[in-house]
Amino acid sequence: KAGVTQTPRYLIKTRGQQVTLSCSPISGHRSVSWYQQTPGQGLQFLFEYFSETQRNKGNFPGRFSGRQFSNSRSEMNVSTLELGDSALYLCASSPGLWSEKLFFGSGTQLSVL
Amino acid sequence: GENVEQHPSTLSVQEGDSAVIKCTYSDSASNYFPWYKQELGKRPQLIIDIRSNVGEKKDQRIAVTLNKTAKHFSLHITETQPEDSAVYFCAASKVDFGNEKLTFGTGTRLTIIP
Repeated sequence: KAGVTQTPRYLIKTRGQQVTLSCSPISGHRSVSWYQQTPGQGLQFLFEYFSETQRNKGNFPGRFSGRQFSNSRSEMNVSTLELGDSALYLCASSPGLWSEKLFFGSGTQLSVL
Repeated sequence: GENVEQHPSTLSVQEGDSAVIKCTYSDSASNYFPWYKQELGKRPQLIIDIRSNVGEKKDQRIAVTLNKTAKHFSLHITETQPEDSAVYFCAASKVDFGNEKLTFGTGTRLTIIP
């Protein structure tokens, strides 16, 4: 069974631009969550989707948004990029009805210049 | 919301010795506590988890203990090996279908000295 796939692997943007990251969960997993990882800050929860519905949202500004499609694939969008948005963005899927036993993707490394 | 503190931030142990990483959480309603291991340049992977109705759980050389009264839980690695070198993250969540948020600690960089 294929793992969680995230594209692109690396991304370089400039301030003010917007970016869309993609995540394909493990087949059969309906819960997809997103995390921002920065050195020293660990993993910060962004949001979680289940069956195309956003169930939870972390403490991030409205510039961060996401969605989930009927095939469980998910996208995350960041508008008006800031330097502080530079981070590794990790997507995770889980097999159950809630966010336990997360299977992470390799992440998208976003650099904002 | 939930706040998880993790200590120490870095830990070096001799190969064969034991390593202990501790986490405290703030929300007494939290009832699910997983630990993830992230090797350099790789994705985090779940290594063990525990629910609040259990005080201890073991899986070969790793174990997790939970003290609900004190609101802290710990990861124990015995007979450490070089492949145990990684960053370890604890997390806490209240399992409430549709309302759970996993809050992670800031990580512990474990280095095993050969």
